[in-house]
Amino acid sequence: EIVLIQSPATMAASPGEKITITCSASSSISSNYLHWYQQKPGFSPKLLIYRTSNLASGVPARFSGSGSGTSYSLTIGTMEAEDVATYYCQQGSSIPFTFGSGTKLEIK
Amino acid sequence: QVQLQQPGAELVRPGASVRLSCKASGYSFTTYWMNWVKQRPGQGLEWIGMIHPSDSETRLNQKFKDKATLTVDKSSSTAYMQLSSPTSEDSAVYFCSRHYYDYDWFAYWGQGTLVTVSA
Repeated sequence: EIVLIQSPATMAASPGEKITITCSASSSISSNYLHWYQQKPGFSPKLLIYRTSNLASGVPARFSGSGSGTSYSLTIGTMEAEDVATYYCQQGSSIPFTFGSGTKLEIK
Repeated sequence: QVQLQQPGAELVRPGASVRLSCKASGYSFTTYWMNWVKQRPGQGLEWIGMIHPSDSETRLNQKFKDKATLTVDKSSSTAYMQLSSPTSEDSAVYFCSRHYYDYDWFAYWGQGTLVTVSA
């Protein structure tokens, strides 16, 4: 099983601040199989980025993703209040599909 | 548009099995894998398994092999997950989710069913 560890587990950012969340895999993953989700309290997860760096439909351009091998990251260029949520990475390279440990993003 | 409808909540007694439903609409139900994902209160997401409605081929996370049984009813475009002998550890929100076509990311999600195991 591929384990995905995210850091930080929790963070707070000011409006306008740039934030980066990292996702570290226990073994190498093709960048085609690493994806990111946003989950707001009381809601289902929402696809944010697929295949490392491709924005899902309707996702604001301030979100971006990058990475390769065992190290991936999600960046929010300028933090907005509506970005308060928990973010998860996910690998689809091998079964069982696994999700990262999650990063809870709060606003200062 | 693709929709996955799930009941909001289920209350189940410890040891009594429960079957959760996920009714799909807006696409050809038998074409795409249907996944189930568990989320315990305040915790992360855990993939349980997936089923292909065309032939009921199932791929399970081995962690859930003695807990979850996945089935489908093609006539009603509904996927089901049965949880056997539930305990407090099974109290969670359970989401059904569909991949984007035959890719491996989860593009469509149900609202989730909150399962509470309590006497």
